[in-house]
Amino acid sequence: NAGVTQTPKFRVLKTGQSMTLLCAQDMNHEYMYWYRQDPGMGLRLIHYSVGEGTTAKGEVPDGYNVSRLKKQNFLLGLESAAPSQTSVYFCASSSRDSSNQPQHFGDGTRLSIL
Amino acid sequence: GQQLNQSPQSMFIQEGEDVSMNCTSSSIFNTWLWYKQDPGEGPVLLIALYKAGELTSNGRLTAQFGITRKDSFLNISASIPSDVGIYFCAGYEPYSGAGSYQLTFGKGTKLSVIP
Repeated sequence: NAGVTQTPKFRVLKTGQSMTLLCAQDMNHEYMYWYRQDPGMGLRLIHYSVGEGTTAKGEVPDGYNVSRLKKQNFLLGLESAAPSQTSVYFCASSSRDSSNQPQHFGDGTRLSIL
Repeated sequence: GQQLNQSPQSMFIQEGEDVSMNCTSSSIFNTWLWYKQDPGEGPVLLIALYKAGELTSNGRLTAQFGITRKDSFLNISASIPSDVGIYFCAGYEPYSGAGSYQLTFGKGTKLSVIP
């Protein structure tokens, strides 16, 4: 009963390095989302996808790219990491069965950029 | 984007006490959701509300969708130590193209329970 799985759980990068965060969901959900959570800021949407092969920008997309090549996976990429991207990243998914379905979250990836 | 005003930001209560927190918005919402986040984990859905005036319970938790569609509250009765965590409200605005897929979140209420 995995739900939404994020890998890795922790990562430390140096400024300028690149990396990809992986999100996988086994609920056959159409919609997937990437958020970042910072102290006092709540959850802010980075990018989202409403289906395989489609992506769209959220509230804070700069410095990130995403891809949804398979329905069950949503990748978040940092091409050139910056200290301002130190954060906890959450992936979420929801179904399209009817409007306004709750989003289900993974346990997060804690990313530190030195 | 739209922000939800969630209050209080934090609260310290004695075990056994009841707790109340709320969210307000300047615009109407179609759906209100309440999540709880434990340290080191992702938010977990507690209650979903889909209709103005709806009152829904989940064990010791009760939430209501405000009649004006601009607010919601969450009550926890007889608090216990495991209620500790951050509670988030979130909502979907009425359909507006791409924006209708996006949840708007409050900044959270941090609850501490003193045994």
